[in-house]
Amino acid sequence: AQKITQTQPGMFVQEKEAVTLDCTYDTSDQSYGLFWYKQPSSGEMIFLIYQGSYDEQNATEGRYSLNFQKARKSANLVISASQLGDSAMYFCAMRDAADTGRRALTFGSGTRLQVQP
Amino acid sequence: ETGVTQTPRHLVMGMTNKKSLKCEQHLGHNAMYWYKQSAKKPLELMFVYSLEERVENNSVPSRFSPECPNSSHLFLHLHTLQPEDSALYLCASSQDRDPADEQFFGPGTRLTVL
Repeated sequence: AQKITQTQPGMFVQEKEAVTLDCTYDTSDQSYGLFWYKQPSSGEMIFLIYQGSYDEQNATEGRYSLNFQKARKSANLVISASQLGDSAMYFCAMRDAADTGRRALTFGSGTRLQVQP
Repeated sequence: ETGVTQTPRHLVMGMTNKKSLKCEQHLGHNAMYWYKQSAKKPLELMFVYSLEERVENNSVPSRFSPECPNSSHLFLHLHTLQPEDSALYLCASSQDRDPADEQFFGPGTRLTVL
């Protein structure tokens, strides 16, 4: 069974600084995908970034980058130059890449990020 | 409209009521999902439909009944719910073709059971 662990219930960061949100995972699958989603207070889950287990380079999307350390089974999200609009819940999720029909995501418990002016 | 839409956005119902949540995706995806998000718990998968066929039922009580009449629409029929069923219900869709295909989520229906 897959498991995602986010050990930081809440984080504070000053505007314009960088912040790292931790995520560790546990799976016996060799092929899997890791995702980060942002959930503002409105409730909608917004996709941020994806990392495949066989990707050799860390994924980057604008101000978001994923620090993928496969041997340690960690996939930390780095947000650079934080903005007030980054204040939200952040969820790490994974999905095994095996069978069609097993595409559902397993989510962590989330980290609430608050960006301070 | 684009993306994934859900109606209603808010719902208050008594334990004896019957209601339905509706989800519609305008992205041409072939898989749709229902998730439940309770306070202080991770998102929990409820149901998965792929090509209009239910492929996963994650031990959900029978008082929740999904329906997927076509690849664009997904319903969650609710009856005789309990107060602990109060939560945010999120619908998602994906192309279900490549492991990297992200799921697109709707805004959710916030359900309160009295």
